[in-house]
Amino acid sequence: RKEVEQDPGPFNVPEGATVAFNCTYSNSASQSFFWYRQDCRKEPKLLMSVYSSGNEDGRFTAQLNRASQYISLLIRDSKLSDSATYLCVVRVFGNEKLTFGTGTRLTIIP
Amino acid sequence: GAGVSQTPSNKVTEKGKYVELRCDPISGHTALYWYRQSLGQGPEFLIYFQGTGAADDSGLPNDRFFAVRPEGSVSTLKIQRTERGDSAVYLCASSQGTKETQYFGPGTRLLVL
Repeated sequence: RKEVEQDPGPFNVPEGATVAFNCTYSNSASQSFFWYRQDCRKEPKLLMSVYSSGNEDGRFTAQLNRASQYISLLIRDSKLSDSATYLCVVRVFGNEKLTFGTGTRLTIIP
Repeated sequence: GAGVSQTPSNKVTEKGKYVELRCDPISGHTALYWYRQSLGQGPEFLIYFQGTGAADDSGLPNDRFFAVRPEGSVSTLKIQRTERGDSAVYLCASSQGTKETQYFGPGTRLLVL
C-alpha cells in the first residue's frame, strides 16, 4: 500500500465549477500536510499547507481529518489557469523528507 | 531573487555510463534535498543534506547513487553505471532550515539509452 494515495484522474471540469480532490495517508505519525501544484514539465510548487482546523486561501480550501487520515482540497469557481496536477504531500514526525502522492490531474474546460 | 537552479536541464547517456547532476540551492538555504520523479508518479525522496552532511540518505536506491555537498551550498548527484531504469526527472529542492517550505528547481531530465 502506498503511503499517500490519490485518485490520478483525469478530472475534466467546466470553467466556473467546483472540484474536490481527496487523499489518504497511511502513516499515523504524519505531522505536516501540503498540497503542491505541478504544471506540465515544470517543478512542483507549494499551493498551500493543510492545518487541522482547515484553511482557506482565496478559492482554495484545504481540510485535514486526522482520525480518518484523510486530506482534501476544494477549488471553487475554477479557472482555466487551475489546470495542473495536484500533489498531496505529507511529512512524518522526525523526518525532513516529503512523501508525495501520484498526483491528480485536473483540466478546466472552457 | 534567484530560485533553485539545476544543470543540465536534459541529459542523454548510454547504459553503463557515469553522470553528474548539479544543484544550486537558493542562497542562504541550509537544507537541500534530491528527489526523483518517474512518468506519472509523484517525486520520490532520495537524500537530504543539512549543511555539508547527508542527514538522511535512506531514499538512494542502491550504491550506484551518491551525492555530495562539500561546501554546504552546491550539491552534485552522481550515478555510476547508469541503467535504463534510472531514466527520470531528478529534482532538487532547498529550504531555509528544517521544517521550512521546500522550493524545487526545474529538474534534470535524464534519459538512459
